[in-house]
Amino acid sequence: GNSVTQMEGPVTLSEEAFLTINCTYTATGYPSLFWYVQYPGEGLQLLLKATKADDKGSNKGFEATYRKETTSFHLEKGSVQVSDSAVYFCALSPPGAQKLVFGQGTRLTINP
Amino acid sequence: DAGITQSPRHKVTETGTPVTLRCHQTENHRYMYWYRQDPGHGLRLIHYSYGVKDTDKGEVSDGYSVSRSKTEDFLLTLESATSSQTSVYFCAISSSGGDNEQFFGPGTRLTVL
Repeated sequence: GNSVTQMEGPVTLSEEAFLTINCTYTATGYPSLFWYVQYPGEGLQLLLKATKADDKGSNKGFEATYRKETTSFHLEKGSVQVSDSAVYFCALSPPGAQKLVFGQGTRLTINP
Repeated sequence: DAGITQSPRHKVTETGTPVTLRCHQTENHRYMYWYRQDPGHGLRLIHYSYGVKDTDKGEVSDGYSVSRSKTEDFLLTLESATSSQTSVYFCAISSSGGDNEQFFGPGTRLTVL
Protein backbone atom coordinates (compact mmCIF):
# COMPACT_ATOMS: atom_id res chain seq x y z
CA GLY A 1 0.00 0.00 0.00
CA ASN A 2 0.85 3.67 0.08
CA SER A 3 2.24 5.25 3.23
CA VAL A 4 4.38 8.13 4.47
CA THR A 5 6.64 8.12 7.50
CA GLN A 6 7.98 11.33 9.04
CA MET A 7 10.56 11.79 11.73
CA GLU A 8 9.19 11.90 15.22
CA GLY A 9 8.63 15.30 16.73
CA PRO A 10 8.48 17.70 18.27
CA VAL A 11 11.62 19.37 16.96
CA THR A 12 13.03 22.41 18.75
CA LEU A 13 15.81 24.54 17.24
CA SER A 14 17.39 27.90 17.78
CA GLU A 15 16.99 30.66 15.24
CA GLU A 16 19.42 30.41 12.30
CA ALA A 17 19.97 26.68 12.84
CA PHE A 18 19.91 24.19 9.97
CA LEU A 19 16.72 22.19 9.64
CA THR A 20 16.10 18.69 8.35
CA ILE A 21 12.79 16.88 8.67
CA ASN A 22 12.98 13.37 7.33
CA CYS A 23 10.26 11.85 5.18
CA THR A 24 10.24 8.42 3.57
CA TYR A 25 7.46 6.84 1.60
CA THR A 26 6.13 3.56 0.29
CA ALA A 27 4.21 3.65 -2.96
CA THR A 28 3.57 1.78 -6.16
CA GLY A 29 4.83 3.51 -9.26
CA TYR A 30 5.96 7.13 -9.20
CA PRO A 31 3.91 9.27 -6.82
CA SER A 32 3.91 13.04 -6.60
CA LEU A 33 5.37 14.28 -3.32
CA PHE A 34 4.40 17.30 -1.24
CA TRP A 35 5.28 19.20 1.88
CA TYR A 36 2.47 21.11 3.54
CA VAL A 37 2.77 23.52 6.47
CA GLN A 38 0.16 24.31 9.11
CA TYR A 39 0.51 27.46 11.20
CA PRO A 40 -1.34 27.60 14.52
CA GLY A 41 -5.10 27.78 14.10
CA GLU A 42 -4.98 27.56 10.33
CA GLY A 43 -5.49 25.04 7.56
CA LEU A 44 -2.71 23.41 5.59
CA GLN A 45 -0.79 25.34 2.95
CA LEU A 46 1.30 23.82 0.21
CA LEU A 47 4.97 24.55 0.90
CA LEU A 48 6.58 22.74 -2.03
CA LYS A 49 6.17 19.75 -4.30
CA ALA A 50 8.01 17.45 -6.72
CA THR A 51 6.42 15.27 -9.34
CA LYS A 52 9.25 13.07 -10.63
CA ALA A 53 12.51 11.55 -9.51
CA ASP A 54 15.40 13.99 -8.89
CA ASP A 55 13.07 17.00 -8.99
CA LYS A 56 13.79 19.60 -6.33
CA GLY A 57 10.92 21.57 -4.89
CA SER A 58 11.70 24.88 -3.20
CA ASN A 59 9.85 27.74 -1.56
CA LYS A 60 10.55 30.34 1.15
CA GLY A 61 14.09 28.97 1.65
CA PHE A 62 12.87 25.38 2.11
CA GLU A 63 13.97 22.62 -0.26
CA ALA A 64 13.25 18.94 -0.77
CA THR A 65 14.56 16.54 -3.42
CA TYR A 66 12.60 13.55 -4.74
CA ARG A 67 14.91 10.58 -4.20
CA LYS A 68 13.54 7.50 -5.88
CA GLU A 69 16.46 5.26 -4.88
CA THR A 70 15.96 5.95 -1.16
CA THR A 71 12.19 6.65 -1.38
CA SER A 72 12.74 9.88 0.50
CA PHE A 73 11.69 13.54 0.33
CA HIS A 74 13.49 15.21 3.24
CA LEU A 75 12.71 18.85 3.98
CA GLU A 76 15.66 21.20 4.57
CA LYS A 77 16.25 24.85 5.34
CA GLY A 78 19.61 26.44 5.87
CA SER A 79 18.66 29.04 8.48
CA VAL A 80 15.33 28.84 10.28
CA GLN A 81 13.40 31.76 11.72
CA VAL A 82 10.95 32.02 14.60
CA SER A 83 8.20 32.47 12.00
CA ASP A 84 8.91 28.94 10.68
CA SER A 85 7.39 27.46 13.84
CA ALA A 86 4.54 25.27 12.59
CA VAL A 87 3.53 21.68 11.92
CA TYR A 88 4.96 20.20 8.72
CA PHE A 89 3.31 17.36 6.81
CA CYS A 90 4.83 15.19 4.14
CA ALA A 91 2.34 13.68 1.67
CA LEU A 92 2.20 11.64 -1.50
CA SER A 93 -0.31 11.31 -4.31
CA PRO A 94 -0.27 7.85 -5.90
CA PRO A 95 -0.15 7.85 -9.70
CA GLY A 96 -3.62 7.93 -11.21
CA ALA A 97 -5.32 8.50 -7.87
CA GLN A 98 -6.87 11.83 -6.90
CA LYS A 99 -5.94 11.37 -3.24
CA LEU A 100 -3.26 12.40 -0.79
CA VAL A 101 -1.69 10.16 1.83
CA PHE A 102 -0.21 12.11 4.74
CA GLY A 103 2.50 11.46 7.26
CA GLN A 104 1.72 12.08 10.91
CA GLY A 105 3.18 15.58 10.94
CA THR A 106 6.22 17.08 12.69
CA ARG A 107 5.83 20.01 15.05
CA LEU A 108 8.69 22.49 14.72
CA THR A 109 9.43 25.17 17.30
CA ILE A 110 12.10 27.80 16.70
CA ASN A 111 13.39 29.70 19.72
CA PRO A 112 14.86 33.19 19.37
CA ASP B 1 -5.79 31.98 -1.37
CA ALA B 2 -8.13 29.39 -2.80
CA GLY B 3 -11.74 30.29 -2.11
CA ILE B 4 -12.71 27.65 0.43
CA THR B 5 -14.85 28.29 3.47
CA GLN B 6 -16.05 25.93 6.16
CA SER B 7 -18.95 26.35 8.51
CA PRO B 8 -19.28 26.33 11.39
CA ARG B 9 -15.71 26.97 12.50
CA HIS B 10 -16.36 25.67 15.97
CA LYS B 11 -19.08 23.42 17.32
CA VAL B 12 -19.81 21.70 20.60
CA THR B 13 -22.47 19.03 20.59
CA GLU B 14 -23.65 16.10 22.64
CA THR B 15 -23.31 12.39 21.99
CA GLY B 16 -26.08 11.03 19.81
CA THR B 17 -26.99 14.27 18.07
CA PRO B 18 -26.70 14.74 14.28
CA VAL B 19 -24.12 17.22 13.02
CA THR B 20 -23.57 18.63 9.53
CA LEU B 21 -20.44 20.46 8.46
CA ARG B 22 -20.37 22.49 5.27
CA CYS B 23 -17.59 23.16 2.81
CA HIS B 24 -18.07 25.80 0.14
CA GLN B 25 -15.69 26.58 -2.73
CA THR B 26 -15.65 29.34 -5.31
CA GLU B 27 -12.96 27.76 -7.53
CA ASN B 28 -15.21 25.40 -9.53
CA HIS B 29 -12.82 22.53 -8.77
CA ARG B 30 -14.05 19.04 -9.54
CA TYR B 31 -12.67 17.21 -6.50
CA MET B 32 -13.57 17.85 -2.88
CA TYR B 33 -12.38 16.03 0.22
CA TRP B 34 -13.11 15.75 3.91
CA TYR B 35 -10.28 14.92 6.34
CA ARG B 36 -10.02 14.67 10.07
CA GLN B 37 -6.91 15.69 11.96
CA ASP B 38 -5.99 13.99 15.22
CA PRO B 39 -2.72 14.09 17.19
CA GLY B 40 -0.33 11.39 16.02
CA HIS B 41 -2.38 10.54 12.95
CA GLY B 42 -1.79 13.41 10.58
CA LEU B 43 -4.75 13.89 8.26
CA ARG B 44 -6.95 10.95 7.40
CA LEU B 45 -9.38 10.93 4.50
CA ILE B 46 -13.05 10.45 5.44
CA HIS B 47 -14.84 10.81 2.09
CA TYR B 48 -14.23 12.50 -1.18
CA SER B 49 -16.20 13.61 -4.21
CA TYR B 50 -15.24 13.55 -7.88
CA GLY B 51 -18.29 15.40 -9.13
CA VAL B 52 -21.86 16.34 -8.34
CA LYS B 53 -23.52 13.35 -6.68
CA ASP B 54 -20.33 11.29 -7.11
CA THR B 55 -18.70 10.36 -3.83
CA ASP B 56 -16.53 7.60 -2.42
CA LYS B 57 -15.22 6.43 0.92
CA GLY B 58 -11.86 7.17 2.41
CA GLU B 59 -9.94 5.28 5.06
CA VAL B 60 -12.05 6.39 8.07
CA SER B 61 -15.58 6.64 6.68
CA ASP B 62 -17.49 4.72 9.36
CA GLY B 63 -20.03 6.95 11.10
CA TYR B 64 -19.90 9.64 8.40
CA SER B 65 -21.90 10.37 5.28
CA VAL B 66 -21.49 13.04 2.62
CA SER B 67 -23.50 14.74 -0.07
CA ARG B 68 -22.68 16.95 -3.01
CA SER B 69 -25.69 18.39 -4.79
CA LYS B 70 -23.80 21.34 -6.31
CA THR B 71 -20.24 21.74 -7.51
CA GLU B 72 -19.51 24.33 -4.86
CA ASP B 73 -20.84 22.57 -1.76
CA PHE B 74 -19.74 19.38 -0.01
CA LEU B 75 -21.51 18.41 3.21
CA LEU B 76 -20.24 16.05 5.88
CA THR B 77 -22.83 14.54 8.23
CA LEU B 78 -22.35 12.70 11.47
CA GLU B 79 -25.69 10.94 11.85
CA SER B 80 -25.22 10.28 15.57
CA ALA B 81 -22.11 11.93 16.95
CA THR B 82 -19.79 10.03 19.29
CA SER B 83 -16.94 11.26 21.47
CA SER B 84 -14.46 9.51 19.15
CA GLN B 85 -15.51 11.96 16.45
CA THR B 86 -14.15 14.90 18.41
CA SER B 87 -11.56 16.25 16.00
CA VAL B 88 -10.61 19.03 13.66
CA TYR B 89 -12.20 18.58 10.23
CA PHE B 90 -10.66 19.98 7.07
CA CYS B 91 -12.14 20.31 3.64
CA ALA B 92 -9.89 20.36 0.58
CA ILE B 93 -10.32 20.84 -3.15
CA SER B 94 -8.33 20.01 -6.25
CA SER B 95 -8.78 20.37 -9.97
CA SER B 96 -8.84 17.53 -12.47
CA GLY B 97 -5.63 15.90 -13.62
CA GLY B 98 -2.17 17.14 -12.81
CA ASP B 99 -0.39 16.16 -9.65
CA ASN B 100 -3.37 16.38 -7.28
CA GLU B 101 -2.22 19.47 -5.44
CA GLN B 102 -4.94 20.14 -2.87
CA PHE B 103 -6.04 23.41 -1.30
CA PHE B 104 -7.37 23.36 2.24
CA GLY B 105 -10.05 25.21 4.11
CA PRO B 106 -9.53 26.75 7.56
CA GLY B 107 -10.98 23.79 9.46
CA THR B 108 -13.85 23.10 11.84
CA ARG B 109 -13.16 22.16 15.44
CA LEU B 110 -15.84 19.74 16.62
CA THR B 111 -16.21 18.66 20.22
CA VAL B 112 -18.63 15.86 21.11
CA LEU B 113 -19.41 15.69 24.82
